[in-house]
Amino acid sequence: EAGVAQSPRYKIIEKRQSVAFWCNPISGHATLYWYQQILGQGPKLLIQFQNNGVVDDSQLPKDRFSAERLKGVDSTLKIQPAKLEDSAVYLCASSLVASGTDTQYFGPGTRLTVL
Amino acid sequence: AQSVTQLGSHVSVSEGALVLLRCNYSSSVPPYLFWYVQYPNQGLQLLLKYTTGATLVKGINGFEAEFKKSETSFHLTKPSAHMSDAAEYFCAVTRGDTGFQKLVFGTGTRLLVSP
Repeated sequence: EAGVAQSPRYKIIEKRQSVAFWCNPISGHATLYWYQQILGQGPKLLIQFQNNGVVDDSQLPKDRFSAERLKGVDSTLKIQPAKLEDSAVYLCASSLVASGTDTQYFGPGTRLTVL
Repeated sequence: AQSVTQLGSHVSVSEGALVLLRCNYSSSVPPYLFWYVQYPNQGLQLLLKYTTGATLVKGINGFEAEFKKSETSFHLTKPSAHMSDAAEYFCAVTRGDTGFQKLVFGTGTRLLVSP
């Protein structure tokens, strides 16, 4: 079974530029999560999708971050414009359902460096 | 709000020694608790989880954890460390009274294993 795929794996941009990350979840998984992991910290949930609807985006900085999940499968996370403090690893995860007991499967992440 | 505290950002053990990684949680409702492991340049992988039932939970790679409500703890142990256990370990909590999973992670503990 293929795991969660993410691209690109690394990205370096200048501040105020735009960047987009792509995630392909495990086939059949209805729930998709985007996390931000700053160096030395644990992952922080940015947004959660159930199929193509948003369940929780309370910690997403909506003035600069946006995310979509078209057709309830792939997802993209965009930052526009980027700030220095956005340097982090962006992790995508998926789970079969959205229950509290389900297991989240994580992709390898995209490491973003903002100069 | 829920939170997790992991005591010790780094833990060093010798190969064959006992591994003990500490996790304390704060939750106003019954929690579900998780331990994830992250190897360099990889995503997180679930080691084990506690939802309901038996408080001693066994996971992959010989790890286990015990949910102690009176101590609000969920410490991770392994009787004998292997070199391959060297990684970063994250404890996480979510509410156990809703149908959704919103993981709150600790800051992580890096396990170092020496020969």
